[in-house]
Amino acid sequence: RKEVEQDPGPFNVPEGATVAFNCTYSNSASQSFFWYRQDCRKEPKLLMSVYSSGNEDGRFTAQLNRASQYISLLIRDSKLSDSATYLCVVKWTGGFKTIFGAGTRLFVKA
Amino acid sequence: DAMVIQNPRYQVTQFGKPVTLSCSQTLNHNVMYWYQQKSSQAPKLLFHYYDKDFNNEADTPDNFQSRRPNTSFCFLDIRSPGLGDAAMYLCATSREDWTDTQYFGPGTRLTVL
Repeated sequence: RKEVEQDPGPFNVPEGATVAFNCTYSNSASQSFFWYRQDCRKEPKLLMSVYSSGNEDGRFTAQLNRASQYISLLIRDSKLSDSATYLCVVKWTGGFKTIFGAGTRLFVKA
Repeated sequence: DAMVIQNPRYQVTQFGKPVTLSCSQTLNHNVMYWYQQKSSQAPKLLFHYYDKDFNNEADTPDNFQSRRPNTSFCFLDIRSPGLGDAAMYLCATSREDWTDTQYFGPGTRLTVL
């Protein structure tokens, strides 16, 4: 089993749609969680950190479920510019070990 | 203003010919990371430096080495590149520890002929 797993997609959605991605992790000692966005042939860029209580940033909402060991990302009112690969990132306690998921590809169409 | 800079952006080398990729940062961050990312795959952590302390991932091949002569610069040396080493190499930094955001450079795309 991979340490961090994501549905690779692609998710094809129309503009204005709501779309959600999940990411599961295997190590219960994981403590820090992030969503990064990566455009084609570009570097990953931080979208948002994921806090235990859940957090929202504009159209984006992140949730953490420790009991089931997954995090989620919800995108409301999708824009064409949201088309990208969304990478889930998990860090272990007490070290710098950083595990990326392989990403979920999103295509938003007009 | 660029904060994490990688040079070159594209590198072509021959099978077995050593190559060095460079990364510099203007953030004065303590931690610098090197990742390898192949097409449609997750970035894979190769190693990181916390200040001068080098930390190698257990599954990083010996073919990959790194140097950090000062806070601002970090180098990735591939001693004998193989065809399987063709990938995007990403440098990242973070201020302190594992809770901090990582800032990525634009990457160096390595081609091995």
